[in-house]
Amino acid sequence: ELKVEQNPLFLSMQEGKNYTIYCNYSTTSDRLYWYRQDPGKSLESLFVLLSNGAVKQEGRLMASLDTKARLSTLHITAAVHDLSATYFCAAFTGANSKLTFGKGITLSVRP
Amino acid sequence: NAGVTQTPKFRVLKTGQSMTLLCAQDMNHEYMYWYRQDPGMGLRLIHYSVGEGTTAKGEVPDGYNVSRLKKQNFLLGLESAAPSQTSVYFCASRQLQGLNQPQHFGDGTRLSIL
Repeated sequence: ELKVEQNPLFLSMQEGKNYTIYCNYSTTSDRLYWYRQDPGKSLESLFVLLSNGAVKQEGRLMASLDTKARLSTLHITAAVHDLSATYFCAAFTGANSKLTFGKGITLSVRP
Repeated sequence: NAGVTQTPKFRVLKTGQSMTLLCAQDMNHEYMYWYRQDPGMGLRLIHYSVGEGTTAKGEVPDGYNVSRLKKQNFLLGLESAAPSQTSVYFCASRQLQGLNQPQHFGDGTRLSIL
C-alpha cells in the first residue's frame, strides 16, 4: 500500500528567506503531483513530475523528483506572504490514475 | 469554462438523514473521483469512476454509494448520515490521455452531520 509522508506539517517562514519542504512515498511511483490549497478553497495543481530527475519551476517555487530515493522536494526562494497556503503532494498509484495524498504542509510567511 | 462544479456548497444534516452530492464536469473527462478532507488527514479517496456506468471503491468507501449514469456527472450518496461523515467533500476529474495531466478539483461541499 502506497503511503505518502510530508514534513514538516507546519512551517513558519520569514519573508525573503529560502526553504525546502519534503515529500516521501513508500513504494515505487513514477509520477508525483504538487497541489496548493488556500484556506476554505479548492486544490490548485502546481506541478506534475513525471520521471526521475524531473525539475519544474514556477515563480518562487521549484519542485524536483528523485524516484530512487522516493522523494520529492519543493524549494521556496525568497518567501513572500502570497505563498502562505497548504501544500499537498500526491503520488500516482498506477491504477486508474488514482492518487494517494500526503497530509499537507501548511506554510505561513511572516514579515 | 466551469470545470468541476459541486452542488451544494454547504449542508447541515441530522443523523440518519440521506442526501446526494452532485459533481458535474464539462471537460469531457473519463475519470472522476470523490475525496473527503478532514483536519490533519489530507485527502482520502472514497470512490472513483473510470467511465460512464462504472464505479469502484477507494480507501474509505463505507457509508457511501456512488453512481455515474452520465459521463459528466458523478453522484455521491449518504444513505444514513452519521456524525463521522462530517467533512469537506471534494470531487475531481481527469482526462484519460496525457501523463502530465493533473486531477482537477471542484470547490468542495462542506457537510455537517448533527
